[in-house]
Amino acid sequence: GENVEQHPSTLSVQEGDSAVIKCTYSDSASNYFPWYKQELGKRPQLIIDIRSNVGEKKDQRIAVTLNKTAKHFSLHITETQPEDSAVYFCAATPFGNEKLTFGTGTRLTIIP
Amino acid sequence: DSGVTQTPKHLITATGQRVTLRCSPRSGDLSVYWYQQSLDQGLQFLIQYYNGEERAKGNILERFSAQQFPDLHSELNLSSLELGDSALYFCASSPASGRITGELFFGEGSRLTVL
Repeated sequence: GENVEQHPSTLSVQEGDSAVIKCTYSDSASNYFPWYKQELGKRPQLIIDIRSNVGEKKDQRIAVTLNKTAKHFSLHITETQPEDSAVYFCAATPFGNEKLTFGTGTRLTIIP
Repeated sequence: DSGVTQTPKHLITATGQRVTLRCSPRSGDLSVYWYQQSLDQGLQFLIQYYNGEERAKGNILERFSAQQFPDLHSELNLSSLELGDSALYFCASSPASGRITGELFFGEGSRLTVL
């Protein structure tokens, strides 16, 4: 099955700086890569996703890049704000939500 | 509010006991997924149902079972509980069968503590 590795496990950045979280996946057939944000004590929520026919997708301060050859994808957050502090999970699947595999999460802390 | 309702929010029980966690999906969603999140761990997929039928299984223990009822709500049954079963259990729903991709809508979770 799919195996997703996520790095780093914790990340602290100064407010206003950029944050980058990286994930690698094992199954070359994976074609859908969502990112979920989980604030402390809250439920995970989808913040952005990318499909394998696209190399980059951007939504305001958040962007995701995908390198299918290297089998890795990354989340980029620019101009970080205190409300960006949360745990971020990447995920990948070769076949629908029922095969979705999550990474172990990155705890992002924004330092005011 | 995601529209997914989970009860109870918190549950404290003893080893060896059995508990039932309940999930009501968003209106119109036919798929229900159960995930386990242990302390500082990721989201471990347990099981998925679509329109009443089991569709996919993850690393679900034999002591755990689930079902989805005709009204589409789902229950996760955990029996012979061990200390290691203490975790946050999330239910998520989506409109489709699970064989296509798209957003999962998570509930607020049920926190189980086994003493």
